[in-house]
Amino acid sequence: DTEVTQTPKHLVMGMTNKKSLKCEQHMGHRAMYWYKQKAKKPPELMFVYSYEKLSINESVPSRFSPECPNSSLLNLHLHALQPEDSALYLCASSQHPTSGNEQFFGPGTRLTVL
Amino acid sequence: TQLLEQSPQFLSIQEGENLTVYCNSSSVFSSLQWYRQEPGEGPVLLVTVVTGGEVKKLKRLTFQFGDARKDSSLHITAAQTGDTGLYLCAGAKGYSTLTFGKGTMLLVSP
Repeated sequence: DTEVTQTPKHLVMGMTNKKSLKCEQHMGHRAMYWYKQKAKKPPELMFVYSYEKLSINESVPSRFSPECPNSSLLNLHLHALQPEDSALYLCASSQHPTSGNEQFFGPGTRLTVL
Repeated sequence: TQLLEQSPQFLSIQEGENLTVYCNSSSVFSSLQWYRQEPGEGPVLLVTVVTGGEVKKLKRLTFQFGDARKDSSLHITAAQTGDTGLYLCAGAKGYSTLTFGKGTMLLVSP
C-alpha cells in the first residue's frame, strides 16, 4: 500500500468557520508533511512531523493548527481563514525524516475560503 | 532565492515529439526526485536519482542526474497525450525537506 489519503476532496468555508483536513497513511512512514499549493506554482512546505512530533513550522500563521494523533494520521485544523488561504492543501509522507527520502503525496484537498 | 531552476516553464508539443526538461542548481543535492502532477491532484513520484551520473529509464522517460549532483534532466521520447501535466523536480538536502523547482507545464496535443 503506497497510498496517502486525504479528506475531504473539496471544502468551502467562510472566514468564521472552523474545519479540519485529514490525512492518513498506512505505509509505516514516520515523517508526515503539510504543503500549500497555489495554481501553477510548486508546493510550499507548511509543517513537518517527525515521529509524531512537530519538527518544522515554516512560519505558518496560527489560523492553521496541525495535529498528529498517531503515526498514521495527520490533521490540519483551520480557523478564521482568509480568502487568500484558498489553495490545494497537500499531505505527504516519507519513510524517515532524513535527507533524500522520497515523499509520497496524497490527492489534496481543494480549499475555497469565501 | 530559487535554488532549483527548472526550464522550460511551459512546453506545448504534438504527439510523437521528443522533449527535455531541465533542472539546474548551484547547490549539491543528496538526491533529486521528479514528480508529475495532474490538475487538482497531488504530485505522483516518478523517480528518485541519488548517484552522480545516474541514468534511470521509465518506459519512454529517461532521467539523468548530473555528475556533480547539481542538475538533472527528464527526456520524454515520442510524447503521448497522457504525458500532459505539471512536471516538478525536487532536490533533497538537509533535514527532511525538499526544494521544488517552479515546474514545467507540458501540454501534448493529438
